[in-house]
Amino acid sequence: GNSVTQMEGPVTLSEEAFLTINCTYTATGYPSLFWYVQYPGEGLQLLLKATKADDKGSNKGFEATYRKETTSFHLEKGSVQVSDSAVYFCALSKAGGSQGNLIFGKGTKLSVKP
Amino acid sequence: GAVVSQHPSRVICKSGTSVKIECRSLDFQATTMFWYRQFPKKSLMLMATSNEGSKATYEQGVEKDKFLINHASLTLSTLTVTSAHPEDSSFYICSAAPGEGRYEQYFGPGTRLTVT
Repeated sequence: GNSVTQMEGPVTLSEEAFLTINCTYTATGYPSLFWYVQYPGEGLQLLLKATKADDKGSNKGFEATYRKETTSFHLEKGSVQVSDSAVYFCALSKAGGSQGNLIFGKGTKLSVKP
Repeated sequence: GAVVSQHPSRVICKSGTSVKIECRSLDFQATTMFWYRQFPKKSLMLMATSNEGSKATYEQGVEKDKFLINHASLTLSTLTVTSAHPEDSSFYICSAAPGEGRYEQYFGPGTRLTVT
């Protein structure tokens, strides 16, 4: 079945450090891939997405590339800020993607220290 | 734009009582709404999918008679936890999808339910 695996947290970094959060997936067909972010006390927000192989999603300095050959969608940011502290969820939509049900990873908590 | 609200944000109830949680899309019409449950240090688990005016589709293992979902309008869905027990204590999150080819889901801030 479809599933998402992302690295265990928590991840603690100093400000301006490089961030990588690994995400791999198992899916039939051609899913769309997403990263969501959940700031403390708030709901999930879509951070970026990619809908086909080799697509790169980017937003707010974060990037992730849809790698079909390695079934991965790793999240990266070159220089994190304290305000990036949040929980990050990798997700895929079932084949088709249209209003597709999302399958989430377990989330990775990121703490950025000044 | 694309704001989804939930009410209440926190609720404490006694075992055996029922609790209703509202999910509203404030600035768009949602043809589909989703209800998730989030356990501590675990991912979101999809409970059910509801389309306006029709019965909700429940995921395997979710009791439809216990978790009643009503999607009476394009901007409102409700989840009622009936005869709540302590094991129902959790964080419940809804999301709404505009439809019309737009597949993003917009999430509410969640409701923390504690059953004593």
